Amino acid sequence: EPEVTQTPSHQVTQMGQEVILRCVPISNHLYFYWYRQILGQKVEFLVSFYNNEISEKSEIFDDQFSVERPDGSNFTLKIRSTKLEDSAMYFCASQAGGETQYFGPGTRLLVL
Amino acid sequence: RKEVEQDPGPFNVPEGATVAFNCTYSNSASQSFFWYRQDCRKEPKLLMSVYSSGNEDGRFTAQLNRASQYISLLIRDSKLSDSATYLCVVNPPRGSTLGRLYFGRGTQLTVWP
Repeated sequence: EPEVTQTPSHQVTQMGQEVILRCVPISNHLYFYWYRQILGQKVEFLVSFYNNEISEKSEIFDDQFSVERPDGSNFTLKIRSTKLEDSAMYFCASQAGGETQYFGPGTRLLVL
Repeated sequence: RKEVEQDPGPFNVPEGATVAFNCTYSNSASQSFFWYRQDCRKEPKLLMSVYSSGNEDGRFTAQLNRASQYISLLIRDSKLSDSATYLCVVNPPRGSTLGRLYFGRGTQLTVWP
């Protein structure tokens, strides 16, 4: 069964450093998403991406964040200058034309 | 204002018990409703979609009451493997926020032998 994959599974970084989180969505899917979950809190929407552009972004997704689909298979989330409060689990999700979003296993980001 | 509200629990039940979770949502125009399951430190996984007519999948039954903006999940004959956090998830109307999901904080269930 096709799956969303994410790399790395864990990332530790220093405050102020740039990180890139990578996702490979399910191959025939059209809609892509990033969500995050701070430990002990709910899953929160960051951004949606369709037809090679951002469809919507939340108030969390400020100028420090960017997304890219550089090669037709990968979908990346970049945080330019990480802050302590960026520590969270970051989930990528993809969706075909229907309702269901399929989530990747997540990247656990720890900012020190 | 919270988009989706759930009782966080925890619910601790013996194997074989029946347990029910409830959820309310704030946007009356919401289109789609789901229950996801999340194991500790893992990704959310779709358990079932929720329809106005109610739907059942084995031991799991989901109900939607649009008038009350209320969603429920019933688990019958609980198994140890049902231990997880159950997430109530709502998708708002198309055209306003394409595809964005709103998650509740989740209800934690522990089934003990």
